[in-house]
Amino acid sequence: GAGVSQSPRYKVAKRGRDVALRCDSISGHVTLYWYRQTLGQGSEVLTYSQSDAQRDKSGRPSGRFSAERPERSVSTLKIQRTEQGDSAVYLCASSLGHLGPEAFFGQGTRLTVV
Amino acid sequence: AQTVTQSQPEMSVQEAETVTLSCTYDTSESDYYLFWYKQPPSRQMILVIRQEAYKQQNATENRFSVNFQKAAKSFSLKISDSQLGDAAMYFCAYRTTGETSGSRLTFGEGTQLTVNP
Repeated sequence: GAGVSQSPRYKVAKRGRDVALRCDSISGHVTLYWYRQTLGQGSEVLTYSQSDAQRDKSGRPSGRFSAERPERSVSTLKIQRTEQGDSAVYLCASSLGHLGPEAFFGQGTRLTVV
Repeated sequence: AQTVTQSQPEMSVQEAETVTLSCTYDTSESDYYLFWYKQPPSRQMILVIRQEAYKQQNATENRFSVNFQKAAKSFSLKISDSQLGDAAMYFCAYRTTGETSGSRLTFGEGTQLTVNP
């Protein structure tokens, strides 16, 4: 694809439910990241994965957050037992890894936990 | 741990004028990358400009240029001839050159830029 694509753009979840957010990265990109963006805490990395690794290498926070990479250019961020504090914009980004330092971002998913 | 600080939560500029956004960072690394990203209301982070720490020459991309002061750990963004389309949130970001940390970006808190017609 031409760029990084995330779905859905908006998600409302009931507290305690699990949610899954999808990211389609750029073909050929090696490293894939998930960031969480909130007004109070800025942007922090949640997880990242490299190459074909299906399991994430977690940033923080861990525990309820995990990412899977069923295909090289697809990642799913899973949030278990959502809390109101999980309300944020979730950004996915990918890069060429050591071949290129720039990260290319999707448009994000705005998650609201009610 | 690396930290990035943007001390200006909001800035405004008149159309066609010049504005400078500040960024400082803290690191013990000698080689790294610095970036400025722009985030419009669409939420997509767009790369504006990039600087490699080993390069002494300041990066320039059309109307955007940086003032990189390595010793002072300062990395400001200058926008010349400001346009209405430049209005957005601007994030300063740091990245190590190594792969051990997954090359994650460390972001500043952001500066909301308003361009007045």
